[in-house]
Amino acid sequence: QVQLVQSGAEVKMPGSSVKVSCKASGGDFRSYSFNWVRQAPGLGLEWMGGIIPYFGTPNYAPKFQGRLTITADESTSTAYMELKKVTSEDTAVYFCARDGAGTPLAFVFWGQGTLVTVSS
Amino acid sequence: ETVLTQSPASLSLSPGDRATLSCRASQTDSSRYLAWYQVKPGQSPRLLIYAASTRATGIPDRFSGSGSGTDFTLSITRLEPEDFAVYYCQQYGGSPYTFGQGTKLELK
Repeated sequence: QVQLVQSGAEVKMPGSSVKVSCKASGGDFRSYSFNWVRQAPGLGLEWMGGIIPYFGTPNYAPKFQGRLTITADESTSTAYMELKKVTSEDTAVYFCARDGAGTPLAFVFWGQGTLVTVSS
Repeated sequence: ETVLTQSPASLSLSPGDRATLSCRASQTDSSRYLAWYQVKPGQSPRLLIYAASTRATGIPDRFSGSGSGTDFTLSITRLEPEDFAVYYCQQYGGSPYTFGQGTKLELK
């Protein structure tokens, strides 16, 4: 049974950085794609980027290039998303999502979401 | 970047009705790497359909996906009360993996 457990809610000042973790249990951590998807209040889903721990090289949406860092720690089966220089437009629920053995690249497993609020 | 356009933006139906949701891609995706997700308030998204037409594990057979190329459809027959939610299509055939803007299925 695959579970993704994310870190808790964050409140950040504009211009600072936020780092959210996603700890995976069940399944082979290094072989699957871990992705970050966010949903701002009242808006839709937005894919930010992803990583396959086995390969180690992250893939970012152009919108976030230069501001987003996605990493994976195989020793703790944890994926991380760090977003720098946040503004109020980064206020959103951030989800980690993983594909499945029978569903390559489609996001079958999801974390519970982490609310990030950017406010002065 | 592949832009996905969903229609309609909202749909008002009653339990027992059939829902037909559309997703049009700006570029042809011959690999059919198209998924559909259901999102309810306060919950994480749920994968319904992947590879355009394959139901994910545990998804009832009243949900079906079809289409190829640039035009894809999610059909929900015999709507149940728990089906009223927002539905998103997503392409994962090429980076960035984009989502449509969503279709809100509302109770009439």
